[in-house]
Amino acid sequence: AAGVIQSPRHLIKEKRETATLKCYPIPRHDTVYWYQQGPGQDPQFLISFYEKMQSDKGSIPDRFSAQQFSDYHSELNMSSLELGDSALYFCASSPTDGGTYEQYFGPGTRLTVT
Amino acid sequence: AQKITQTQPGMFVQEKEAVTLDCTYDTSDPSYGLFWYKQPSSGEMIFLIYQGSYDQQNATEGRYSLNFQKARKSANLVISASQLGDSAMYFCAMREGGRSFQKLVFGTGTRLLVSP
Repeated sequence: AAGVIQSPRHLIKEKRETATLKCYPIPRHDTVYWYQQGPGQDPQFLISFYEKMQSDKGSIPDRFSAQQFSDYHSELNMSSLELGDSALYFCASSPTDGGTYEQYFGPGTRLTVT
Repeated sequence: AQKITQTQPGMFVQEKEAVTLDCTYDTSDPSYGLFWYKQPSSGEMIFLIYQGSYDQQNATEGRYSLNFQKARKSANLVISASQLGDSAMYFCAMREGGRSFQKLVFGTGTRLLVSP
């Protein structure tokens, strides 16, 4: 079965640089979520999109922005990177026509800021 | 206020034994969903099991079952016949509300170690 695809899997950036993370949801899933998991921490919700519109926003810094495109893939753009942005970034997708709406997570992008 | 509480930072179990991972939650919303995810050392988040607030029966998925006690606001994960591959971090998470695009709130996780 198709899963959520994230690219790149690993990314190393320097402080003050920018990064773009990409997410391709499971086919026919129209909702995408982004989560950030710091070292030894639980995942924290950043932002979500439903049918290409932002549906919810969490503790996402103003330096970050995201969007969902017409083909439902999503991109998380991160600017002026800080050391504290080093984390595992997950994208998850879910369908809206199911009763459980379980979120299926991608493998994550491990971002290291040096 | 902490919405999801996992009080066991670490658990040890011997292979082939059963283990229960605790999870309590806090919500005033009558409609919510509870999830368990497994995160191996490789980092991916693997969906294990789901329980809806209106579900009458406890959820089961293979060796995983969810002991849902609504009045006590607990949703413990039971893993039967533990295997070495079950060693991982386990997260309990909750989705509040009945809408599909509701975010998940996670607990702090329990690290399970299965010994031979």
